[in-house]
Amino acid sequence: AQKVTQAQTEISVVEKEDVTLDCVYETRDTTYYLFWYKQPPSGELVFLIRRNSFDEQNEISGRYSWNFQKSTSSFNFTITASQVVDSAVYFCALSEAGGGFKTIFGAGTRLFVKA
Amino acid sequence: DAGVIQSPRHEVTEMGQEVTLRCKPISGHDYLFWYRQTMMRGLELLIYFNNNVPIDDSGMPEDRFSAKMPNASFSTLKIQPSEPRDSAVYFCASSFGLAGVYNEQFFGPGTRLTVL
Repeated sequence: AQKVTQAQTEISVVEKEDVTLDCVYETRDTTYYLFWYKQPPSGELVFLIRRNSFDEQNEISGRYSWNFQKSTSSFNFTITASQVVDSAVYFCALSEAGGGFKTIFGAGTRLFVKA
Repeated sequence: DAGVIQSPRHEVTEMGQEVTLRCKPISGHDYLFWYRQTMMRGLELLIYFNNNVPIDDSGMPEDRFSAKMPNASFSTLKIQPSEPRDSAVYFCASSFGLAGVYNEQFFGPGTRLTVL
């Protein structure tokens, strides 16, 4: 069965600090997709990144970077030089190829960035 | 381009009343998802459709919940009768499935439902 664990419920940092949000997943499928979504205070979920299980390359997009390690079943998200606008709830999610299009979301990590 | 549209944005109703939530997916998307978000249970997938056909409704909590997608541009989630424990934010999302590639989902703004 698929499962996504985001052990960090809340993280609080001061602006300009780097912060890493952890995501650990469980799946029996060899083909799967991992996602990160951001939910700002406005409430709408916004897609950040998608990774498939055959692509372990890390990715950087501006101040955001993602580290995908199949050996530890982790897909961690790092924000460099955090800003107040990064304050949001961040969700990691998993879709198994054998599970149709069903997506399981982690519980989310609430990030507070203080000025 | 318009994103996923949901209505109403807020709904307050009394226990026992019927509630209908509406969703218009992004044009061209062939998958539509209904989620419920609560503090206790997080973000739960209720049901999803592919080409207007329900594929997996295992997340629908009970028979009081039903969802339809009569055409590619409209879906409803109905709760009848509603109960206070149904209070939550309900999200609709759509996506484009391309031959085994699981693309990202685009979420609507959500409907905040309060059942008194």
